[in-house]
Amino acid sequence: AQKVTQAQTEISVVEKEDVTLDCVYETRDTTYYLFWYKQPPSGELVFLIRRNSFDEQNEISGRYSWNFQKSTSSFNFTITASQVVDSAVYFCALSDASNDYKLSFGAGTTVTVRA
Amino acid sequence: DVKVTQSSRYLVKRTGEKVFLECVQDMDHENMFWYRQDPGLGLRLIYFSYDVKMKEKGDIPEGYSVSREKKERFSLILESASTNQTSMYLCASSGGPGYTFGSGTRLTVV
Repeated sequence: AQKVTQAQTEISVVEKEDVTLDCVYETRDTTYYLFWYKQPPSGELVFLIRRNSFDEQNEISGRYSWNFQKSTSSFNFTITASQVVDSAVYFCALSDASNDYKLSFGAGTTVTVRA
Repeated sequence: DVKVTQSSRYLVKRTGEKVFLECVQDMDHENMFWYRQDPGLGLRLIYFSYDVKMKEKGDIPEGYSVSREKKERFSLILESASTNQTSMYLCASSGGPGYTFGSGTRLTVV
């Protein structure tokens, strides 16, 4: 069975601090996709990144970076030099072939960035 | 840009009412989904559809039904609303791995 665990429920930081969100997943498939979504207070989930299981290269996009490690089944997300606009709920998600590529979500991590 | 539109942002309904939540996507996607979001539980799949008139139960289908008469429209139906169905409902569509979400409908059942 596929499962996504985001152990951190809430994280609160002061602006300009770095923040790392943990995501651990379980799947029996060798082919799968991992995602991060951001949900700002407006409510709409915004796609941030998709990673397939064959690409372990870390990725950086501006102040965002992702660390994918198959050995530990983790796909962690770091926000560098956080800003107030980063305040949101962040969801990690997994889709795999055995589940028809439906997305399974973690419980989410609420990030609050204080000015 | 792919757009997924949910007809209502906020809804307040009475217990026992039949409730329709509408979702429309404009990118000719085959797959559409309804999720429910509750604090601490993340998003849970209610129903999904991979083609017109096709539907599959998700993880928590009880108390819900769906309708997909046209490819672009996927409706979630609460047959007899109950207070435990007070939640945020999110619609999504997909043409491959990964989804595009609507803005959500916050439903309150009183």
